[in-house]
Amino acid sequence: KQEVTQIPAALSVPEGENLVLNCSFTDSAIYNLQWFRQDPGKGLTSLLLIQSSQREQTSGRLNASLDKSSGRSTLYIAASQPGDSATYLCAPGVFSGGGADGLTFGKGTHLIIQP
Amino acid sequence: EPEVTQTPSHQVTQMGQEVILRCVPISNHLYFYWYRQILGQKVEFLVSFYNNEISEKSEIFDDQFSVERPDGSNFTLKIRSTKLEDSAMYFCASSLRLAGNNEQFFGPGTRLTVL
Repeated sequence: KQEVTQIPAALSVPEGENLVLNCSFTDSAIYNLQWFRQDPGKGLTSLLLIQSSQREQTSGRLNASLDKSSGRSTLYIAASQPGDSATYLCAPGVFSGGGADGLTFGKGTHLIIQP
Repeated sequence: EPEVTQTPSHQVTQMGQEVILRCVPISNHLYFYWYRQILGQKVEFLVSFYNNEISEKSEIFDDQFSVERPDGSNFTLKIRSTKLEDSAMYFCASSLRLAGNNEQFFGPGTRLTVL
C-alpha cells in the first residue's frame, strides 16, 4: 500500500525566500505524481504533473523534481509571495490495472508566507 | 477554462438519511473519481469510474456507497444511510488520461455534515 510523507508539516517564512517542500513515497511503481495546492475550506488546485519518465517540471515560479527510484519528489517555490500561503499536497499515482487509478495523498505542508 | 463543478456546496442531513452528491466533470474527460477529506485529515480516495462502471474502489467505499453517471454530464455519489463518521468534504475529480497523462482536476467539494 502506498504511503506518502511530506516534510515539513508546516513552514512559516518571510516573503521573498526560496522554498523546498519534500515528499517521499513507499511504492516507486508510479506512473506520475501531482502537486496540488489547497486553500482553507477549498478544493484542490493542480499545480504540476510529473510523468514517471520525467525528472522535473516547471510552471512559473514552481519547479517540481522526481526521483522515482528513491521515492522522492520536491517542490521548489522561488521568490515566495503571501499569496502562496496554502497547504501543498503531493499525490503519486500507481497503476492498479483497473485503468482509472486513485491518487494517494500526503498530509501536506502548511505554508505561511509572511508579508 | 473548463472546470469540475459540484452541488450542493454544503449538505446537512440527519443520521440514517440518504444523500446524493452531484458532480459535473470536465466535458471531454473520461475518468471520474470521488475522494473525501475528514476535517484535519488526509484526502482519501473512494472510487474511480470509467466506461460506466467502477474501475477501482478503496476499503472506505463499502455497500453504503454507490456511484452513477445518470446522463452524459452528471456523476453522482450516493450514501444510503449516513453515519456521523461520514461527515467530511467530498471532492469529485475527472481526468482525460490521454497518452498516459492522468492529471486529475478537482471540484470545489461538498461539505457533508451528518447530525
